[in-house]
Amino acid sequence: DAGVIQSPRHEVTEMGQEVTLRCKPISGHNSLFWYRQTMMRGLELLIYFNNNVPIDDSGMPEDRFSAKMPNASFSTLKIQPSEPRDSAVYFCASSLSLGDLIRNTIYFGEGSWLTVV
Amino acid sequence: GQQLNQSPQSMFIQEGEDVSMNCTSSSIFNTWLWYKQDPGEGPVLLIALYKAGELTSNGRLTAQFGITRKDSFLNISASIPSDVGIYFCAGQLYTDKLIFGTGTRLQVFP
Repeated sequence: DAGVIQSPRHEVTEMGQEVTLRCKPISGHNSLFWYRQTMMRGLELLIYFNNNVPIDDSGMPEDRFSAKMPNASFSTLKIQPSEPRDSAVYFCASSLSLGDLIRNTIYFGEGSWLTVV
Repeated sequence: GQQLNQSPQSMFIQEGEDVSMNCTSSSIFNTWLWYKQDPGEGPVLLIALYKAGELTSNGRLTAQFGITRKDSFLNISASIPSDVGIYFCAGQLYTDKLIFGTGTRLQVFP
């Protein structure tokens, strides 16, 4: 079975440019999560969706960040305009459904490595 | 955002040694998870704990859910070079979002 698929795997962009990260969750999973990982702050939950609806976006750092999930098999995380401090690894993850983890394991993609110069 | 405190932050050990790391929280959880992140990859679930006091093993890995529900530890016995990576604990209370620890970086020297 295909896991969570993220693209691009690596991106280097100039400050001020728009960045779009893409994610395809595991087929049949109803919950999708976007995480950011940095050395200083570790793994931070940015936003998560359940059945394509954003449930909690309190982790989104500021208005430059936005996320959408137009359908059950696709989500995007957009940064506009990008800044050097946005450099990090961005992980997408999915689970069968939001809720008790006794039934629902969260599976991570391989990450999108973003460098803003 | 909220994070769990993991210790140690990093470990440098020799192959064959045992490893112990722990995770503490100021609040209780119903579920504790331990993930491993290989270099350049996403975290992968190692062990899940669902009950206070529970002790669970997965090969050379053993993890325990603390009685107070505010801590957990992970032990790795007889470490090997492929154990290298970052180990994360994560906790969940009921259906709340998963909270991750700060990570323990493990380096194993042959």
